[in-house]
Amino acid sequence: DQQVKQNSPSLSVQEGRISILNCDYTNSMFDYFLWYKKYPAEGPTFLISISSIKDKNEDGRFTVFLNKSAKHLSLHIVPSQPGDSAVYFCAASALRSNDYKLSFGAGTTVTVRA
Amino acid sequence: ETGVTQTPRHLVMGMTNKKSLKCEQHLGHNAMYWYKQSAKKPLELMFVYNFKEQTENNSVPSRFSPECPNSSHLFLHLHTLQPEDSALYLCASSQGSLNTGELFFGEGSRLTVL
Repeated sequence: DQQVKQNSPSLSVQEGRISILNCDYTNSMFDYFLWYKKYPAEGPTFLISISSIKDKNEDGRFTVFLNKSAKHLSLHIVPSQPGDSAVYFCAASALRSNDYKLSFGAGTTVTVRA
Repeated sequence: ETGVTQTPRHLVMGMTNKKSLKCEQHLGHNAMYWYKQSAKKPLELMFVYNFKEQTENNSVPSRFSPECPNSSHLFLHLHTLQPEDSALYLCASSQGSLNTGELFFGEGSRLTVL
């Protein structure tokens, strides 16, 4: 049973515009959410995270929004750059339950067009 | 360079072969993980080791056998695999139960089973 879902397998955006990636989860025990970025032939690398006590976390061009009532989070990249072309994975864990294992979504492939 | 090194990066094996994947982390972490990534699917947790003790076996077939001799090294022994086991196998480490859920991944071992 997939607890983290990324329903858009791909996204194409023009350089300089905003990229919005969406993620939905079903487990109400999840309280910590992360986004990972993966280039081909490399392992995923941590990008940004958010705790359930917040609804927004910003780091430079990357902002993650959390809507707990909708069990939905999104990643905004603005402005998008060619180097942002990669696969983005949403992940979640239930830290308050001492369950630090991450559940991952299937990923969204972002292509930034010059 | 994430501090997690996996070898080999690529492996081709027949169904009757025995091979091993190796992972080493230089981050002083207490927990190590094996994940499987198949195309267009979420990262699938296979095994978790915390302080060298296996704390999770996610219903993985016995043809995959993990070994964790110390908190810096993790192996995945492979024998009599099936073609559907072809995937990218990712090793990761974290601070274990005290962490914030962030995983540090290696670059992966791309396995092809003929």
